[in-house]
Amino acid sequence: KAGVTQTPRYLIKTRGQQVTLSCSPISGHRSVSWYQQTPGQGLQFLFEYFSETQRNKGNFPGRFSGRQFSNSRSEMNVSTLELGDSALYLCASSIGTSETYEQYFGPGTRLTVT
Amino acid sequence: GNSVTQMEGPVTLSEEAFLTINCTYTATGYPSLFWYVQYPGEGLQLLLKATKADDKGSNKGFEATYRKETTSFHLEKGSVQVSDSAVYFCALSSNGGSQGNLIFGKGTKLSVKP
Repeated sequence: KAGVTQTPRYLIKTRGQQVTLSCSPISGHRSVSWYQQTPGQGLQFLFEYFSETQRNKGNFPGRFSGRQFSNSRSEMNVSTLELGDSALYLCASSIGTSETYEQYFGPGTRLTVT
Repeated sequence: GNSVTQMEGPVTLSEEAFLTINCTYTATGYPSLFWYVQYPGEGLQLLLKATKADDKGSNKGFEATYRKETTSFHLEKGSVQVSDSAVYFCALSSNGGSQGNLIFGKGTKLSVKP
C-alpha cells in the first residue's frame, strides 16, 4: 500500500512569492493534517481537513491556507512568503479524525525562502 | 494552553544501554499521548500511544506509561541498538476525539554508538 506522498520534495522561492504544496493521502484515508517543522519552533500544527472541510486550524497567519479535494488529496498555500516560512512542511493522513486512528506522515516538502 | 515539554538532547548512549527520555505535559481534560520517531531523512512514525491514565503503550521494546498524577509520559527502552538512533517526539492530542491537532515537544535526538 502506497504511503503518504508529498510534492514537490524540495522548493526554493523568493520573498513575496506564493507557493502551493500537495499531499496525497493513503488510499482510503479521509483526514489530512499539515504541520510545519522548524529548528526554532519545532513541529507546529497548521490545519486539519476531513471530507473537504477544515476541522481545526493552528495559530498561523491568514497567509497560510489549505483545501481538500473530493479524492482526499490536499493542498496548502502560502502567500507573500517570508524568510521565516522556510521549513519542512509535513502532511499526515488517517482514516478518520478519532484519536484512535494512527496518523501516517509523509516525507515532507522542504521549502527554502530566499 | 496545552503544551509538551521533553528533555533536551542530544542523548548519546552505548549499545545495550538503558534509555529514558522524559516527557511532561500540560493539558485541560484528558488528552491522548503519543511518542513519534523520525529517522534521518524520513517523516514521522508513530512509535506508541496511550489514550487514558495508567495505560502503557509499547512497541519495538519501547514503553511509556500515561501518568496523570505526574502529568508525564516518559519513554523507556531496556537495551538500545544502533538502529534506534533517531529523533523522538512526545505529543498530545488536544482536541478531544480528534488526533489531527497534535501538539509536539521539541524532540530529543538519540545517538547510539556501537
